[in-house]
Amino acid sequence: DAGITQSPRHKVTETGTPVTLRCHQTENHRYMYWYRQDPGHGLRLIHYSYGVKDTDKGEVSDGYSVSRSKTEDFLLTLESATSSQTSVYFCAISGQGGLYARYFGPGTRLTVL
Amino acid sequence: AQTVTQSQPEMSVQEAETVTLSCTYDTSENNYYLFWYKQPPSRQMILVIRQEAYKQQNATENRFSVNFQKAAKSFSLKISDSQLGDTAMYFCAFGDKIIFGKGTRLHILP
Repeated sequence: DAGITQSPRHKVTETGTPVTLRCHQTENHRYMYWYRQDPGHGLRLIHYSYGVKDTDKGEVSDGYSVSRSKTEDFLLTLESATSSQTSVYFCAISGQGGLYARYFGPGTRLTVL
Repeated sequence: AQTVTQSQPEMSVQEAETVTLSCTYDTSENNYYLFWYKQPPSRQMILVIRQEAYKQQNATENRFSVNFQKAAKSFSLKISDSQLGDTAMYFCAFGDKIIFGKGTRLHILP
């Protein structure tokens, strides 16, 4: 299994509070991704990174920001959480990016009350 | 825009039978990868199989194989000799940002 961890694994927070989710990898892969999974929608890409300090938006980036100061860590921040951001969040990595497969972390279940 | 469609929201088959999950996609790209991912109740996303679009030969991984029809933009997954452990959500995905379909929930019945 690819060495990907996510923290926290579960979080309950209130509307309007900031939340940061962390993805950590030990594979030294260049590409890292954040997805959210909601019933009826499959997985949707939020943001991705193609190197340290290099990030770009995905399909559903509104309300989210990311940062990558080290190869191994990719942070997802909800500046002011809303109930619509209740979801399961998955981090993924890829050695080559682009056309290549993603390997996923275990997921974080976030509930915004 | 790139899209992925899985037309079977849910399927059930008896253990040891063969089952085929459908997937169609739309893209203007010529070179890309296609993937099938499995998500069991544990929620972990597991890569099952991948296919390179420029390869005509269909990919195979043990009991899992694909039927890739590039002209028809079709990428179906065949599971042979299905096992109880194959019970899961199955997602078709493709493209450089990896666009996912909405999934097919597969139940293997004893």
